[in-house]
Amino acid sequence: AQSVTQPDIHITVSEGASLELRCNYSYGATPYLFWYVQSPGQGLQLLLKYFSGDTLVQGIKGFEAEFKRSQSSFNLRKPSVHWSDAAEYFCAVGAGNYGQNFVFGPGTRLSVLP
Amino acid sequence: SQTIHQWPATLVQPVGSPLSLECTVEGTSNPNLYWYRQAAGRGLQLLFYSIGIDQISSEVPQNLSASRPQDRQFILSSKKLLLSDSGFYLCAWRFGRWEQFFGPGTRLTVL
Repeated sequence: AQSVTQPDIHITVSEGASLELRCNYSYGATPYLFWYVQSPGQGLQLLLKYFSGDTLVQGIKGFEAEFKRSQSSFNLRKPSVHWSDAAEYFCAVGAGNYGQNFVFGPGTRLSVLP
Repeated sequence: SQTIHQWPATLVQPVGSPLSLECTVEGTSNPNLYWYRQAAGRGLQLLFYSIGIDQISSEVPQNLSASRPQDRQFILSSKKLLLSDSGFYLCAWRFGRWEQFFGPGTRLTVL
């Protein structure tokens, strides 16, 4: 069965600083990988996804993520963080014919200092 | 474009009372539908998924049940709520490729 870990429970960065959120997965085949963002009390919004091809994927809001098969990682990055990026970020891996094995990581809460 | 609705947005219920949360999707047909629960400070737990009308699969044993009476309607129910049922309930849909799209969620507090 697949699993997802996000080693950092909470990260604090200053506005304008760069950001990297870590995600590691465990899955026997080529995974489908996702990053979602959740603002307080809201649903989840898809930031980006990886299915195949170019291992560096671009998403919305200036985010990007890089798939590294050798490290089983799919880290999320942003070169310059804005105060509005403060939220909870979830990494997820999808498998199975019906997506029922769509497993989420525990999330990383991002705080942004002015 | 597709949209997903959940109601109510917020609900406070006493222990032992029944529950009915509704999720509807617009702008698509025959979607896969999902119910997740997010406990405070924790990640998402898949509760149920459905690939069609009256086709429901449960991921974890619990006090909850789900039904899909129409193609784009997914209902989460309980006959008697427990304190441990408190949480943030998210409905999601998927059609075609892998990404799932989430509704705004329902905050349930059981007292």
